[in-house]
Amino acid sequence: DAGVIQSPRHEVTEMGQEVTLRCKPISGHDYLFWYRQTMMRGLELLIYFNNNVPIDDSGMPEDRFSAKMPNASFSTLKIQPSEPRDSAVYFCASSRQGPGNQPQHFGDGTRLSIL
Amino acid sequence: QKEVEQDPGPLSVPEGAIVSLNCTYSNSAFQYFMWYRQYSRKGPELLMYTYSSGNKEDGRFTAQVDKSSKYISLFIRDSQPSDSATYLCAMRDGNKLVFGAGTILRVKS
Repeated sequence: DAGVIQSPRHEVTEMGQEVTLRCKPISGHDYLFWYRQTMMRGLELLIYFNNNVPIDDSGMPEDRFSAKMPNASFSTLKIQPSEPRDSAVYFCASSRQGPGNQPQHFGDGTRLSIL
Repeated sequence: QKEVEQDPGPLSVPEGAIVSLNCTYSNSAFQYFMWYRQYSRKGPELLMYTYSSGNKEDGRFTAQVDKSSKYISLFIRDSQPSDSATYLCAMRDGNKLVFGAGTILRVKS
């Protein structure tokens, strides 16, 4: 089976631009998670979906961040407008059931740099 | 204070050494405990998964949980250069995982 696929792998853009990160979860997985990883804060959960429905977005830092999951095989995380402090590695992960019962499988991340 | 505390290291050991990685936590509600390994420029991958207090062994890896002390450990026997990576502990909080900061491990040949 193919793993979680994220695109792009790297993104460099200027402050104020819109950024869209994409994720294709593993087929058959019910849960999808978006994380952000920085040296200062480690790996933080931003939002997660169950069966395409957002369940908990309490980790989304600001209204500039939004996430959608229009179908079971695709999700996006959008930042508009972007700021330098958004620079981080963004990971998408998926799992079959609740995260405590099944392992979360991570993609290789999108390395985002906002200049 | 963070819910999960983990020494970021780096921890540098010679090949063949026994490695001990640790996390402490403050939330008594945590029930599931995991260790993830993350290679440079890759996503984390699950190494070990435990539910109850005690030990769980898988090859060269042993995960230990002490709920009374709110302390978990990962032991790596006969460490190899290929074990060089960042090791993150993670714990379940409801339907979410809370991660430690990660410990950078370097195994020198």
